[in-house]
Amino acid sequence: EVQLVETGGGLIQPGGSLRLSCAASGLTVSSNYMTWVRQAPGKRPEWVSVIYSGGNTYYADSVRGRFTISRDNSKNTLFLQMDSLRLEDTAVYYCTRVLTTGSSGWIPFDFWGQGTLVIVSS
Amino acid sequence: DIQMTQSPSTLSASVGDRVTITCRASQNINSWLAWYQQKPGKAPKLLIYKASSLQSGVPSRFSGSASGTESTLTITSLQPDDFATYYCQQYDTYPWTFGQGTKVEIK
Repeated sequence: EVQLVETGGGLIQPGGSLRLSCAASGLTVSSNYMTWVRQAPGKRPEWVSVIYSGGNTYYADSVRGRFTISRDNSKNTLFLQMDSLRLEDTAVYYCTRVLTTGSSGWIPFDFWGQGTLVIVSS
Repeated sequence: DIQMTQSPSTLSASVGDRVTITCRASQNINSWLAWYQQKPGKAPKLLIYKASSLQSGVPSRFSGSASGTESTLTITSLQPDDFATYYCQQYDTYPWTFGQGTKVEIK
């Protein structure tokens, strides 16, 4: 059974930094395309970042240059380093998987964690 | 960025009804379209991918279709567990984007 468990959220002042973690079981983080998706209260989900199994990374314009996605293969854990946090970064942050298949192309966000809440406020 | 526009924003329906939600992309997304169900306080759940492929474990009363830039999620015979918010999402081009959501309410 796949489990994704996010931790690291909390209350942070604007301009501060947080590091989110996503501990995975039942799948190997380094062999998958792993992503972060966030959802502000009452809003639609927003894709934040992806890291490919080969290491390539991509970011939403709203976080590029401030957020960094990474992984620790030995701990089977995904990270999101968030710097220069803004009020508009307040959201629940979810760790998700994108399944890459040969015949069906990609299957996005088939597994999700429970999310971790980040509140940016002074 | 590709804009995803869903309609309606809210839908009132009864158990047993057939429900249809539409999602329009601002440009061609080559059927790289997914549908999710979300209940309050929970993560979204994948229902449909590649516009019409049913995710494993999802009941067959859910189906998807696409024509050009318009995609449709249909729920035949709405069940009590189906009252939720539904989102479409394109994964053709970064940044991947979601529709604004359709809330299915009890009539």
